[in-house]
Amino acid sequence: IAGITQAPTSQILAAGRRMTLRCTQDMRHNAMYWYRQDLGLGLRLIHYSNTAGTTGKGEVPDGYSVSRANTDDFPLTLASAVPSQTSVYFCASSDSAQGADTQYFGPGTRLTVL
Amino acid sequence: GQNIDQPTEMTATEGAIVQINCTYQTSGFNGLFWYQQHAGEAPTFLSYNVLDGLEEKGRFSSFLSRSKGYSYLLLKELQMKDSASYLCAVRDSNYQLIWGAGTKLIIKP
Repeated sequence: IAGITQAPTSQILAAGRRMTLRCTQDMRHNAMYWYRQDLGLGLRLIHYSNTAGTTGKGEVPDGYSVSRANTDDFPLTLASAVPSQTSVYFCASSDSAQGADTQYFGPGTRLTVL
Repeated sequence: GQNIDQPTEMTATEGAIVQINCTYQTSGFNGLFWYQQHAGEAPTFLSYNVLDGLEEKGRFSSFLSRSKGYSYLLLKELQMKDSASYLCAVRDSNYQLIWGAGTKLIIKP
């Protein structure tokens, strides 16, 4: 069982380019999340999906979009990358968004926008 | 606004005990989580508290006081592999996790 996988592991991207970060989970979890982690700051939620076919905006959604066409996949797209989007991006999933259901994290994607 | 406060960095000695504090102010409360994150890796779940009191799990314990907006993570019999960042997160009224910036724990021999 792989859990959650993310691709690519790292990427250097020119400003203005479009980029999609991929996230796949094999735990049949209903809820999925995208976070960014920056030095000195806590994890910040970008977008989330409580179940396949639905998505919602988190704390820092501007410049990012997501889709949830099925249970397993939750791609994050940067339509036109800017240097402030340089960060480590983590995808996570949980059985639900309530109770003691914990979030399981993928290994992360380190993105640099120049 | 919502806020989670943790010390930025702590140092402890191998074999000792360390307590990492977390205070929070959030819109609603639906549980508090502690995660461990080694450098360059993903966070991994350590503990969950939703009622006041102490939850013990091996060498790790977590305490919660909802009236004080306060939690701590207690690590006993410290080992070198415990060197990591420890993240406190609160699930708010919208069932979203609000994360602290994390406490970097340095273990010295």
